[in-house]
Amino acid sequence: QPVLTQPPSASASLGASVTLTCTLSSGYSNYKVDWYQQRPGKGPRFVMRVGTGGIVGSKGDGIPDRFSVLGSGLNRYLTIKNIQEEDESDYHCGADHGSGSNFVWVFGGGTKLTVL
Amino acid sequence: EVQLVQSGAEVKKPGESLRISCKGSGYSFTSYWISWVRQMPGKGLEWMGRIDPSDSYTNYSPSFQGHVTISADKSISTAYLQWSSLKASDTAMYYCATPYSGNWFDPWGQGTLVTVSS
Repeated sequence: QPVLTQPPSASASLGASVTLTCTLSSGYSNYKVDWYQQRPGKGPRFVMRVGTGGIVGSKGDGIPDRFSVLGSGLNRYLTIKNIQEEDESDYHCGADHGSGSNFVWVFGGGTKLTVL
Repeated sequence: EVQLVQSGAEVKKPGESLRISCKGSGYSFTSYWISWVRQMPGKGLEWMGRIDPSDSYTNYSPSFQGHVTISADKSISTAYLQWSSLKASDTAMYYCATPYSGNWFDPWGQGTLVTVSS
């Protein structure tokens, strides 16, 4: 099954842009990855899914146009432009693997985004 | 509105049993898997397992197989996560989620905080 790796922290100034990275382990370059936002003290919410061709499907409810994704090789990126205070959150990536009795879902360790 | 509503916070002692719930509404409950996800204090998300409410078929993460039981009662659109003997290390927030809007977790329940302490 894939391993998803995320840097533990990132920071950006108000109004700036930031790109968060989720890296799949070797051999899983064709996998799609989901991004989830978790604001302090809140539950996760779906942001969007990304493959090597970019976004898959639609964004989650209420996700602003400032959020976009790209995929390249083993990396899946979430870019946030014109960062706002409400974007300060933990961002988790996840992917499913297998089927039937071998199905698993794996998450990265999450990246804590601090807005300066 | 499609939503998952979870049962309230629990405080238990080690060795006690517990069942928490996740009630779906606004959609066909039997058409979508329900997954359970653990988040230990200050940590990331861990997928525990899932259930198909239509026939109660379950998948478990190897990390949680044998430690918890996932079940569902489709007549009341409710999924459950159960422990027979809690440990302090089970202290965590537990979320349910379903892939209603696509092959991803959306929506999520609001979370149930389980605290296990003597």
